[in-house]
Amino acid sequence: KQEVTQIPAALSVPEGENLVLNCSFTDSAIYNLQWFRQDPGKGLTSLLLIQSSQREQTSGRLNASLDKSSGRSTLYIAASQPGDSATYLCAVRGDSGGSNYKLTFGKGTLLTVNP
Amino acid sequence: DTAVSQTPKYLVTQMGNDKSIKCEQNLGHDTMYWYKQDSKKFLKIMFSYNNKELIINETVPNRFSPKSPDKAHLNLHINSLELGDSAVYFCASSRFHYEQYFGPGTRLTVT
Repeated sequence: KQEVTQIPAALSVPEGENLVLNCSFTDSAIYNLQWFRQDPGKGLTSLLLIQSSQREQTSGRLNASLDKSSGRSTLYIAASQPGDSATYLCAVRGDSGGSNYKLTFGKGTLLTVNP
Repeated sequence: DTAVSQTPKYLVTQMGNDKSIKCEQNLGHDTMYWYKQDSKKFLKIMFSYNNKELIINETVPNRFSPKSPDKAHLNLHINSLELGDSAVYFCASSRFHYEQYFGPGTRLTVT
């Protein structure tokens, strides 16, 4: 059974700092990994999707890496801004059939960027 | 244009009632999902449909019944609501295995 762990559970940083959020998963047989952000009382916004054959993806100030064999992914946020404050969720999709195609989520990292 | 929409946004009802939540996507995706986010903010898959066919059915009480009339719609009907059903329910869609897009959520409160 796939389990996804995100560390730290909460992070508070001053504006402008570069930061790294960590995600680990127990079953390396994944199809892809997706990072989301969730603002309070809102839905999830997809940030980056990394296919299992890829090592990293970049979008603006965000860079996500994937080390499938070790079951790890990191989300790097450069020059953090108060608007980045949100909960960041990591989710992995299994690569075999049926219910293994589901996304399994971590519990998230609550990020606060202080002005 | 909203990509994945849900109605209603808020739903307050009493124990024992039956209620439905509707979801529509205009992205042309072939796969849709229902997720439940509990009070601890943990997000868990409930159901998934691909081309109107049920492909994921997690351990969910049979009081919950999804229905997909077409590829763009996935509704969730809940019978005999219980206090423990209070949560935020999210609909999502994707082009099969690829990037998932989420709706804004429906906050269900059972009193």
